Amino acid sequence: DAGVIQSPRHEVTEMGQEVTLRCKPISGHNSLFWYRQTMMRGLELLIYFNNNVPIDDSGMPEDRFSAKMPNASFSTLKIQPSEPRDSAVYFCASSFGATVSQPQHFGDGTRLSIL
Amino acid sequence: SQKIEQNSEALNIQEGKTATLTCNYTNYSPAYLQWYRQDPGRGPVFLLLIRENEKEKRKERLKVTFDTTLKQSLFHITASQPADSATYLCALDGGSSNTGKLIFGQGTTLQVKP
Repeated sequence: DAGVIQSPRHEVTEMGQEVTLRCKPISGHNSLFWYRQTMMRGLELLIYFNNNVPIDDSGMPEDRFSAKMPNASFSTLKIQPSEPRDSAVYFCASSFGATVSQPQHFGDGTRLSIL
Repeated sequence: SQKIEQNSEALNIQEGKTATLTCNYTNYSPAYLQWYRQDPGRGPVFLLLIRENEKEKRKERLKVTFDTTLKQSLFHITASQPADSATYLCALDGGSSNTGKLIFGQGTTLQVKP
C-alpha cells in the first residue's frame, strides 16, 4: 500500500513568495495532520483535520499560514508571504480514527528553505 | 505548562546490548503514550503504543513501560543491532484522549556500534 505522499520533497524560494505544500493521505484514513520540525523546537503539530474538517489549528503560527482539505485524499498547507524563519521540514501524517489511541503514519516531509 | 523530556545526548552502545531510552513528562497525565523511530531525511515511523493502565508492552525486540507515578516511560531494544541506529521520539496525548493531538519529545539519537 502507498504511504502518505508529500510534494515537493524540497522547496527553495525567496522571502515573500507564496509556498504551497501538498499531501495525499493513506486511503481510508480519516484524520490528517500537518507538523513542522526544526532543531530548536522539534516536531510541532500545526493543524489537524478529521473527516476533512479542521479540528485544532492552535499550532498554526500566524495568519500567514493556512491549510485546506477539500476532499479525503488531498490537503494543502500554504504560507503567504513566506519568511526565512519558516524554513523547516514540514510533515504530513494520517491516521484511521480521530484520537490518540491510533498510530499516525508520516510522509517523508518537505524540506523548505526560505532565502 | 506541559513538558516532555528525552535525553538530548546521543546514546552509544555496543551491538548485542540492550538500549534503554527515557521519556519523562511533567504537568499532565496522558492516557496514551507512543514511540516513533525517525531516520535521517525520513518521517517518523510508529513503533508502539501503550495506555495508562498498561504497565508494559512488547513487540519483538522492543519493550515499552509506562509508569504514571514516576511520570516516565522507558523504551528498551534488546539484542541491539547497527540497523537500530536512529532517533527515537516519544509522544503523548495533548491532555485529552478524545482528540488526535500528540505532543512529541525532542528525541534521543541511538548509535549502535558493531
